[in-house]
Amino acid sequence: AQSVAQPEDQVNVAEGNPLTVKCTYSVSGNPYLFWYVQYPNRGLQFLLKYITGDNLVKGSYGFEAEFNKSQTSFHLKKPSALVSDSALYFCAVRDENTGFQKLVFGTGTRLLVSP
Amino acid sequence: SQTIHQWPATLVQPVGSPLSLECTVEGTSNPNLYWYRQAAGRGLQLLFYSIGIDQISSEVPQNLSASRPQDRQFILSSKKLLLSDSGFYLCAWSNWNTEAFFGQGTRLTVV
Repeated sequence: AQSVAQPEDQVNVAEGNPLTVKCTYSVSGNPYLFWYVQYPNRGLQFLLKYITGDNLVKGSYGFEAEFNKSQTSFHLKKPSALVSDSALYFCAVRDENTGFQKLVFGTGTRLLVSP
Repeated sequence: SQTIHQWPATLVQPVGSPLSLECTVEGTSNPNLYWYRQAAGRGLQLLFYSIGIDQISSEVPQNLSASRPQDRQFILSSKKLLLSDSGFYLCAWSNWNTEAFFGQGTRLTVV
């Protein structure tokens, strides 16, 4: 069965420093990968996705992620963190072997950016 | 453009009462539809997903059921709520190869 692991419950970073939020996945076929952000008591907002093509994908608000097939990872990165980036971040995956129909999320990583 | 509506935003229900949460999508046809539950502001648990009318896949055996009576309508139900059903319920839609778009969620408190 497809799954996503986000090994860090929380990531702390100072404003202006680079940030990384980790994600690894497990699928039977090829993956489609996504990152979302959630602010308190709100639905999820889409940040970026990897479907095919260039392994480095760029998304909203200066975020980017790199697809690494050999390490089955899709880490989220940003060169310079902002206090306003503080939120809950989710990685998600679709599996080719389920027809890409099912969308499974990780447990989330809370990002705290300090001034 | 596509929009997703989910209601109500908040709900307080007594234990043993029924539940019906509704989600509708506009501006697209034959979407994939999803129900998730989020407990205590953390991980999203996939409850049900649907690829078409009356085609529902259940991911977790529990006190809930889902129905899709129309192409763009997805309903989450329970005959008798338990305290453990409390949480933040999120509806989402997507096409098979796109990102999912989420509703604003329903905060359910069972008392």
